[in-house]
Amino acid sequence: GENVEQHPSTLSVQEGDSAVIKCTYSDSASNYFPWYKQELGKRPQLIIDIRSNVGEKKDQRIAVTLNKTAKHFSLHITETQPEDSAVYFCAASDNTGTASKLTFGTGTRLQVTL
Amino acid sequence: GAGVSQTPSNKVTEKGKYVELRCDPISGHTALYWYRQSLGQGPEFLIYFQGTGAADDSGLPNDRFFAVRPEGSVSTLKIQRTERGDSAVYLCASGPGGTDTQYFGPGTRLTVL
Repeated sequence: GENVEQHPSTLSVQEGDSAVIKCTYSDSASNYFPWYKQELGKRPQLIIDIRSNVGEKKDQRIAVTLNKTAKHFSLHITETQPEDSAVYFCAASDNTGTASKLTFGTGTRLQVTL
Repeated sequence: GAGVSQTPSNKVTEKGKYVELRCDPISGHTALYWYRQSLGQGPEFLIYFQGTGAADDSGLPNDRFFAVRPEGSVSTLKIQRTERGDSAVYLCASGPGGTDTQYFGPGTRLTVL
């Protein structure tokens, strides 16, 4: 089955700096890669996703890049703000048309300091 | 519109008891997923429904766990003979079907004493 690894496990940046979180996956059939933000005690919130037919996607201060050859994808947050502090999870799925379960990474705790 | 809702938000039970956890998906979403999240970990897949049928139940840890979705909307996750190791946050997600996009509910925190 799919295995997703995520690094780093914790990341501390100063407000206004950029943050990068990286994930690798094992199943070359995976074709959908979402990122979730989870604040303490809250639900995982979908913040951006990318499909295997594109290499990069951007939404305001957030961008995701995908390298299918190397089987890795990254989340980039620019101009970080204190409200960006949370745990971020990457995930991968293989939508075969009959099942599209997500396999998650172990999370990155991002701390944005003033 | 309303997001995914789950009840109860917290459930404390004793070892050996039976529990039911409920999920109300986003209206019109045909796909419904259950995940389990332990402290400090990412969500772990349990079961996926497309409509009323379980399309993939490969994540259910053993036969004490099963889930139903009789009318293709609300789903119930049922755990028999609960064990302390079942303690976790049980998350439900729904999606429009035909895509992988999944939106999560707030979860039910299950504590087995």
